[in-house]
Amino acid sequence: NAGVTQTPKFQVLKTGQSMTLQCAQDMNHNSMYWYRQDPGMGLRLIYYSASEGTTDKGEVPNGYNVSRLNKREFSLRLESAAPSQTSVYFCASTSKGGGLNYGYTFGSGTRLTVV
Amino acid sequence: QQQVKQSPQSLIVQKGGISIINCAYENTAFDYFPWYQQFPGKGPALLIAIRPDVSEKKEGRFTISFNKSAKQFSLHIMDSQPGDSATYFCAALFTNRGSTLGRLYFGRGTQLTVWP
Repeated sequence: NAGVTQTPKFQVLKTGQSMTLQCAQDMNHNSMYWYRQDPGMGLRLIYYSASEGTTDKGEVPNGYNVSRLNKREFSLRLESAAPSQTSVYFCASTSKGGGLNYGYTFGSGTRLTVV
Repeated sequence: QQQVKQSPQSLIVQKGGISIINCAYENTAFDYFPWYQQFPGKGPALLIAIRPDVSEKKEGRFTISFNKSAKQFSLHIMDSQPGDSATYFCAALFTNRGSTLGRLYFGRGTQLTVWP
């Protein structure tokens, strides 16, 4: 099925450990995004990529790095995990152009717990 | 600074009733206002969206009302059903001038519960 695939779905890390969250889309979308969702805070943008080879910081980039490996894949890396990074992480993608079809397609999320 | 303010945080409605969720924004450069619906364990999914040159958009039981002068927009769910129980997010899109890349700013969400 077409869409955005995120792996893993669940992860528990110890403080200071590193990990990479993977995201892939098969809709030929140009733009990809990483959000984190915390209770009562909505979705906050961590990083985004307008196209292959470009990345930019969002609202809450500290403690994260990203790689736009190719048009399909956009990974999020935590170099040294902290308890404050306990969250649900969502990857999203969208295509260029306007109109009312400018909808983001979200993955099903990665639930990360840092202890 | 919260770009999009959403209220209420939670809402309980009886089956068949009307659910109303409100959002407000400050940045007049926003040019697209979608609503997303999220079920537990799932990612948000686009529900309905509106451009600021339109005052109302209706799709089935879901209606967006948009007040450009007040910088407010709202989601109305008519004949609310238990299956509508979910978290709803309003959002606003900012597109850089000369770019087709848009950034969505989300409200904090409303947890809707519809009692049978």
